[in-house]
Amino acid sequence: KAGVTQTPRYLIKTRGQQVTLSCSPISGHRSVSWYQQTPGQGLQFLFEYFSETQRNKGNFPGRFSGRQFSNSRSEMNVSTLELGDSALYLCASSLGFGGAADTQYFGPGTRLTVL
Amino acid sequence: DAKTTQPPSMDCAEGRAANLPCNHSTISGNEYVYWYRQIHSQGPQYIIHGLKNNETNEMASLIITEDRKSSTLILPHATLRDTAVYYCIVGSSGSARQLTFGSGTQLTVLP
Repeated sequence: KAGVTQTPRYLIKTRGQQVTLSCSPISGHRSVSWYQQTPGQGLQFLFEYFSETQRNKGNFPGRFSGRQFSNSRSEMNVSTLELGDSALYLCASSLGFGGAADTQYFGPGTRLTVL
Repeated sequence: DAKTTQPPSMDCAEGRAANLPCNHSTISGNEYVYWYRQIHSQGPQYIIHGLKNNETNEMASLIITEDRKSSTLILPHATLRDTAVYYCIVGSSGSARQLTFGSGTQLTVLP
């Protein structure tokens, strides 16, 4: 079974621009979560989507948004980029129904650099 | 979710068992202990998880104390490729998932 895939793997943007990152979950998984990882703050939860609805949200400004499509693929958008948005953005998928067997599996991440 | 405490770094000789401890004294009854590892700049890799019983899979073993306030991840025969940051996370088994990562333990396997 193919793992979680993220595109692009690397991205360079300038301040003020916006960016869209994409995540394709493991086949059959309906939950997609997004995380930001920076050297200073570590891995932080952004939001989770399940069946095209945002089910859970972390403590990030409204410039960070996302959506999920009917095939469970998800996109994350960051508007008006700031230097501090430079980070590794990770996507994780899971079945989404809870329970002992419902584990999150991570993709390789998208490295975003804001200049 | 309950908070976890891990040592910032550990060394282990190649071929020996690596025992990584984690304290989670405020864990509640329905919370699981999850272990992930992250090799430099890659996505975290799931290793194992458990509720109260010890668990073993092809990668590692997880030993959870009877009071569930601490656990140990055991890599039975560490290799150089096991050098990574290991994260112990406590989280609900509920459907809405939000993993709260701490600082983890940097495990260095020495030749």
